[in-house]
Amino acid sequence: EAQVTQNPRYLITVTGKKLTVTCSQNMNHEYMSWYRQDPGLGLRQIYYSMNVEVTDKGDVPEGYKVSRKEKRNFPLILESPSPNQTSLYFCASSPDRGRSSYEQYFGPGTRLTVT
Amino acid sequence: GQSLEQPSEVTAVEGAIVQINCTYQTSGFYGLSWYQQHDGGAPTFLSYNALDGLEETGRFSSFLSRSDSYGYLLLQELQMKDSASYFCAVRVYNNNDMRFGAGTRLTVKP
Repeated sequence: EAQVTQNPRYLITVTGKKLTVTCSQNMNHEYMSWYRQDPGLGLRQIYYSMNVEVTDKGDVPEGYKVSRKEKRNFPLILESPSPNQTSLYFCASSPDRGRSSYEQYFGPGTRLTVT
Repeated sequence: GQSLEQPSEVTAVEGAIVQINCTYQTSGFYGLSWYQQHDGGAPTFLSYNALDGLEETGRFSSFLSRSDSYGYLLLQELQMKDSASYFCAVRVYNNNDMRFGAGTRLTVKP
């Protein structure tokens, strides 16, 4: 089954404790992306990657890191989480060519709470 | 800069037609996409307009007018299951980042 998986689905942590949210897709997509979703603000892009070893900042990259060592994986790293990073996080992927590049497939989401 | 404006809420009755507008201010983008998100779920792709005009996919249609910086999603024969949030989105020229509107919450009533 074609899908994007994220782990963990729920996470409660404390300020300053480094964490990683994993994201994996099995569709051989080039484009992968991380978003955070907050009430009234919609989806805001954190980082995206056009392909292996190619990453770029989105709209709200501060406090986050990413890496793309393999095509299928795109982990999101919070080196020192703070309470303002409490949010719902989505990973997404899409092909990078043609019309289908605009159809993003989203993972199930990770609800992060930083206390 | 790039920003997309949508109404925050829309209410309609079952069987009716509803239009969700998206106006944007952007320096350039590849096309306008629409996504649906049910409460507690992930966004799912609905439609995409690369060119001006109407795209139809079953009960859903989407429209784009670049000259008017405007697009809309049209939902026909509304069903209760259409109650969800709807987001418009663009992929920006040059840097390929994605921008989403804040979303429109559609409530379908019996």
